[in-house]
Amino acid sequence: DAGVIQSPRHEVTEMGQEVTLRCKPISGHNSLFWYRQTMMRGLELLIYFNNNVPIDDSGMPEDRFSAKMPNASFSTLKIQPSEPRDSAVYFCASSFDSYNEQFFGPGTRLTVL
Amino acid sequence: KQEVTQIPAALSVPEGENLVLNCSFTDSAIYNLQWFRQDPGKGLTSLLLIQSSQREQTSGRLNASLDKSSGRSTLYIAASQPGDSATYLCAVSDVQGGSEKLVFGKGTKLTVNP
Repeated sequence: DAGVIQSPRHEVTEMGQEVTLRCKPISGHNSLFWYRQTMMRGLELLIYFNNNVPIDDSGMPEDRFSAKMPNASFSTLKIQPSEPRDSAVYFCASSFDSYNEQFFGPGTRLTVL
Repeated sequence: KQEVTQIPAALSVPEGENLVLNCSFTDSAIYNLQWFRQDPGKGLTSLLLIQSSQREQTSGRLNASLDKSSGRSTLYIAASQPGDSATYLCAVSDVQGGSEKLVFGKGTKLTVNP
């Protein structure tokens, strides 16, 4: 298996633009997680899905952030409009079940100018 | 609210030394604890997962222990090598309001000098 796949790996955009991050989980995994990593706050869970259903989105910072999982092999995290404080590395992870071992993708480094 | 603390924040050791990384958590009601490794500019690699009913897990030169009642875990690395240089993150699978989620510490940055 190729592991968790994320795209793009790097994204540079201007404030106010829409940003869409993409994730393909490991085949057979039924839980998918979106995290954000910054120097100040470390790794924070934004939202997670189980069987394509959002279970907990309490970590989503504000309404500008939204996430979808239309099927078991694809998820998106969208920021609209983006702001400089959204600059961070965004990771996607998947697991066989929500409390089993999680496998992380390589991350998307987002820079909002 | 679950909080995870890792001490020290950074550690530098000579090659060949045995070392211990520490992790503490405030709420003992956890499903499991996971240790990860993160190389600069890369994602996280899972090293060891300890279920709440277990006391330790071993993989090669790595040994992780868990004392759930005291809210502590240690990661022991034997005979350290320069290739072990990375940031090591501890995370607990926390249950709050029926939702399971990983809560991470901020990591220990390890440098193994040749």
